[in-house]
Amino acid sequence: EAGVTQFPSHSVIEKGQTVTLRCDPISGHDNLYWYRRVMGKEIKFLLHFVKESKQDESGMPNNRFLAERTGGTYSTLKVQPAELEDSGVYFCASSISAGGSSGSGANVLTFGAGSRLTVL
Amino acid sequence: RKEVEQDPGPFNVPEGATVAFNCTYSNSASQSFFWYRQDCRKEPKLLMSVYSSGNEDGRFTAQLNRASQYISLLIRDSKLSDSATYLCVLYILTGGGNKLTFGTGTQLKVEL
Repeated sequence: EAGVTQFPSHSVIEKGQTVTLRCDPISGHDNLYWYRRVMGKEIKFLLHFVKESKQDESGMPNNRFLAERTGGTYSTLKVQPAELEDSGVYFCASSISAGGSSGSGANVLTFGAGSRLTVL
Repeated sequence: RKEVEQDPGPFNVPEGATVAFNCTYSNSASQSFFWYRQDCRKEPKLLMSVYSSGNEDGRFTAQLNRASQYISLLIRDSKLSDSATYLCVLYILTGGGNKLTFGTGTQLKVEL
């Protein structure tokens, strides 16, 4: 089974530019999450999709960040315009729905390898 | 106060040693608890879930104390391959959805 895949693995851009990160969750996983780890800090929640709907976007830092999940499959996270403090590793994770075959499956997230963003 | 507090370490231990990590959390609404392992420049991977009754998986034992809002992880007979960052993670189900809350992680270095 393919895992969660993220692209690009590393992106280096200048302040003010735009970057779009992509995440392909595990097939059949309705839940898709974006997390971010800034240097020296803990991994922090950004937002949660259930299928194509935003369930919780309370962790999105500001309106420079836009996440989409059209069709309920892959998701994109766009940062526009990027600022220096946006540098970090952006992780995507997915899980099955709460009504899945595994009772606790909704709690178990599978993470992608992350997209490292460096803003210069 | 952070939602999840962990000693960042590093814990440098010799191969074969027993090492314990602790974690405290502030949100009493936290419902599920996990230890994740993260290798350098890799993604976090679930190591084990944590239950009040305690649970063991080979050399790893996890324990939850809800009254004290405290979680522990014990690693016996440490191997070089255990070197990693161990993340204490809470699962909170809210009206707006559900999410994992991470600690900053405790770094373990197992040495010859």
